[in-house]
Amino acid sequence: DADVTQTPRNRITKTGKRIMLECSQTKGHDRMYWYRQDPGLGLRLIYYSFDVKDINKGEISDGYSVSRQAQAKFSLSLESAIPNQTALYFCAVAGTDRNEQFFGPGTRLTVL
Amino acid sequence: RKEVEQDPGPFNVPEGATVAFNCTYSNSASQSFFWYRQDCRKEPKLLMSVYSSGNEDGRFTAQLNRASQYISLLIRDSKLSDSATYLCVVPPGNFNKFYFGSGTKLNVKP
Repeated sequence: DADVTQTPRNRITKTGKRIMLECSQTKGHDRMYWYRQDPGLGLRLIYYSFDVKDINKGEISDGYSVSRQAQAKFSLSLESAIPNQTALYFCAVAGTDRNEQFFGPGTRLTVL
Repeated sequence: RKEVEQDPGPFNVPEGATVAFNCTYSNSASQSFFWYRQDCRKEPKLLMSVYSSGNEDGRFTAQLNRASQYISLLIRDSKLSDSATYLCVVPPGNFNKFYFGSGTKLNVKP
């Protein structure tokens, strides 16, 4: 079983729709992250969380919100999707001992 | 200046060649460094961690130069399966965030 899972894996939606991407982990790590990746660009941090009561904005949080429902679950919402949010979205988790990040398989989101 | 900078490549090398990538970082407080491998449209996967001067794992060697603030990744005896994008990751001293380089693309040719 995968340590970090993301659902859905692919999603096509229309402009203005609300979309939720979900991330779950079985590694027991406290730190969870949401990134987006655009073709030819690096990973950009959207939000991160160190525990269920801790939510922090990353470099591109506008248009996104998150919810840390439990230690193992971290959801990303697009309140009103727009075409330039079309991207590959990755969830990642990290422990506090070695600070290594482990990524989920990604969600490919297309906003028409 | 970007937190982490990498040569985007692509590096086109024949099988069996030795190839090296460099990554420069701006935060002198960083204490640990990571190389990730990313295949097309897949998630990044941890390749190597560097906590001191360097690390070696089979054909892969990572070296850290704190004075010049760069880390390098050396791949010996390149395989076709090494073709991928290699991402350099540098957490700042407080580990709140992880700064990713934009990646170096490697193409290993037969």
